[in-house]
Amino acid sequence: QKEVEQDPGPLSVPEGAIVSLNCTYSNSAFQYFMWYRQYSRKGPELLMYTYSSGNKEDGRFTAQVDKSSKYISLFIRDSQPSDSATYLCAMSGLTGGSYIPTFGRGTSLIVHP
Amino acid sequence: DAGVTQSPTHLIKTRGQQVTLRCSPKSGHDTVSWYQQALGQGPQFIFQYYEEEERQRGNFPDRFSGHQFPNYSSELNVNALLLGDSALYLCASSPTSGNQETQYFGPGTRLLVL
Repeated sequence: QKEVEQDPGPLSVPEGAIVSLNCTYSNSAFQYFMWYRQYSRKGPELLMYTYSSGNKEDGRFTAQVDKSSKYISLFIRDSQPSDSATYLCAMSGLTGGSYIPTFGRGTSLIVHP
Repeated sequence: DAGVTQSPTHLIKTRGQQVTLRCSPKSGHDTVSWYQQALGQGPQFIFQYYEEEERQRGNFPDRFSGHQFPNYSSELNVNALLLGDSALYLCASSPTSGNQETQYFGPGTRLLVL
């Protein structure tokens, strides 16, 4: 079993839909939870990060962390075609004096007009 | 702020050759990490450099080595290239103090080994 599990998709939704992206994990030592967006043939771009459990909102994006269930989510409201990308979840805990994120394999999102 | 920069953007090598990839971290960041991202997979941690020393290493063979310079820039070297080394190589930087739990990535170097 991988430390971080993420459905690769693709997930195809119409413009304006609410998108839900999810990851599960097995390492209870993870403290920080991140979501990255990666456009084709580009490097990952940090969207949001949260510490421990709870919700965090930034514009159309909401990140949720449920440490008791080892489950994290990213919601995208009013999705746009420009949101079409691969979304990577990542999580980290303090190891050897630094934080090294472990990534999921990414979910491919397609928002069609 | 130029963010994290990497060079070259693309590279084609043949099996057995050696390659060097370069990275300049985001301004104010002194820690550099390297990742390998195979097609359809998430980035896999190779190693991290801080104060010109390798601080942590992932599950990669010794063919993968690196270096960090006094200006915090870094190089990734891969010897005896294999076909399986074809991937996007990502550099990420973070500050030692402050939000070290988050890393900012460069655009990557796409390596193709023939």
